[in-house]
Amino acid sequence: QKEVEQDPGPLSVPEGAIVSLNCTYSNSAFQYFMWYRQYSRKGPELLMYTYSSGNKEDGRFTAQVDKSSKYISLFIRDSQPSDSATYLCAMRRTGFQKLVFGTGTRLLVSP
Amino acid sequence: EAQVTQNPRYLITVTGKKLTVTCSQNMNHEYMSWYRQDPGLGLRQIYYSMNVEVTDKGDVPEGYKVSRKEKRNFPLILESPSPNQTSLYFCASSFNRQGTINYGYTFGSGTRLTVV
Repeated sequence: QKEVEQDPGPLSVPEGAIVSLNCTYSNSAFQYFMWYRQYSRKGPELLMYTYSSGNKEDGRFTAQVDKSSKYISLFIRDSQPSDSATYLCAMRRTGFQKLVFGTGTRLLVSP
Repeated sequence: EAQVTQNPRYLITVTGKKLTVTCSQNMNHEYMSWYRQDPGLGLRQIYYSMNVEVTDKGDVPEGYKVSRKEKRNFPLILESPSPNQTSLYFCASSFNRQGTINYGYTFGSGTRLTVV
């Protein structure tokens, strides 16, 4: 079993839809949770960063962490065609620099 | 501009011909790491470095070497490339200092390597 599981998609939605992207994990020691966005032929770029449980909002993006369920989510409101990319969840333990990544979910937002 | 620079972006080589992929960062980051990205397998760590002259194996180190002689540079060396090393490679860096806020890694743009 992988430490971090993520549905590969693709997830296709119309412009303006609310998108929900999710990851589950098995290591309860993970404390830092991140979402990266990766456009085709580009490196991943950090989108959201949260520590431990709770919600964090940044514009149209909301990250949620439920440590009791070992489940993290990224919500995108009013999705745009420019949001079409692969979204990678990542997480790490306190005191460790290594990030463990999900395999990524490909999102397609059609005009 | 703060960035991680990888070269080359694309490389086609033959089995057994030694090659080096360079990585340089201008953010004074202590931590640097190499990942390979393959369909269905995601990003897997090859090697990492906590600081100058400190390197260690990641999850898939076989067939690779690294060095960290300067803080800004972290080259990836394939001494004898094989076709199973055909992949998309990313270099990443971050702070590794107590008291600094770690906002995760900054990634380079990637190197697509094909070994024939």
